[in-house]
Amino acid sequence: DAKTTQPPSMDCAEGRAANLPCNHSTISGNEYVYWYRQIHSQGPQYIIHGLKNNETNEMASLIITEDRKSSTLILPHATLRDTAVYYCIAYRGSTLGRLYFGRGTQLTVWP
Amino acid sequence: GAVVSQHPSRVICKSGTSVKIECRSLDFQATTMFWYRQFPKQSLMLMATSNEGSKATYEQGVEKDKFLINHASLTLSTLTVTSAHPEDSSFYICSATRGGLTDTQYFGPGTRLTVL
Repeated sequence: DAKTTQPPSMDCAEGRAANLPCNHSTISGNEYVYWYRQIHSQGPQYIIHGLKNNETNEMASLIITEDRKSSTLILPHATLRDTAVYYCIAYRGSTLGRLYFGRGTQLTVWP
Repeated sequence: GAVVSQHPSRVICKSGTSVKIECRSLDFQATTMFWYRQFPKQSLMLMATSNEGSKATYEQGVEKDKFLINHASLTLSTLTVTSAHPEDSSFYICSATRGGLTDTQYFGPGTRLTVL
């Protein structure tokens, strides 16, 4: 599975959009971009995933560049409860790959 | 939905005893379940993958005789830490997947194990 690179930490004001970047320059054609987050002492929470097209759900939007070498997770109106470690993972599914949780990005939302 | 539960949420045991942790998919049938471990201030590490009715596949460096995994049904997997020692103290997290094209894993809330 391709490695991903994320900034170690980011801050965001409550109510503003949080844009979390991720680089995955070696991603292969059959790898999806997955985003999870982990709030302290809890299991990871699935947020969103995509292959080529931009995706949106009730939690977030995922923007994937045309060359698929990077992506951005957007939390449109961050709240204090969005403070967590966010993981960007390139994943081919359990048969072919593994969910590799790197260090992620610690997002802190401040009032 | 895609809810995964774990029981217990935390457990304290004496060194040398065995501890069983349950992982259940509550609103879907899980073709595959996974067990992860997370030490303080570190990221999750995959321990093993299990499919219903099959033997688990363990990651390199994980002792299969120490971490017994049973996946008896499509909604239940158990992890038994045998002869636990203080170094086994960790946060154990399971995940489950329905399978299919994208194979999204949904995680349980985790079990905090403390071995005295």
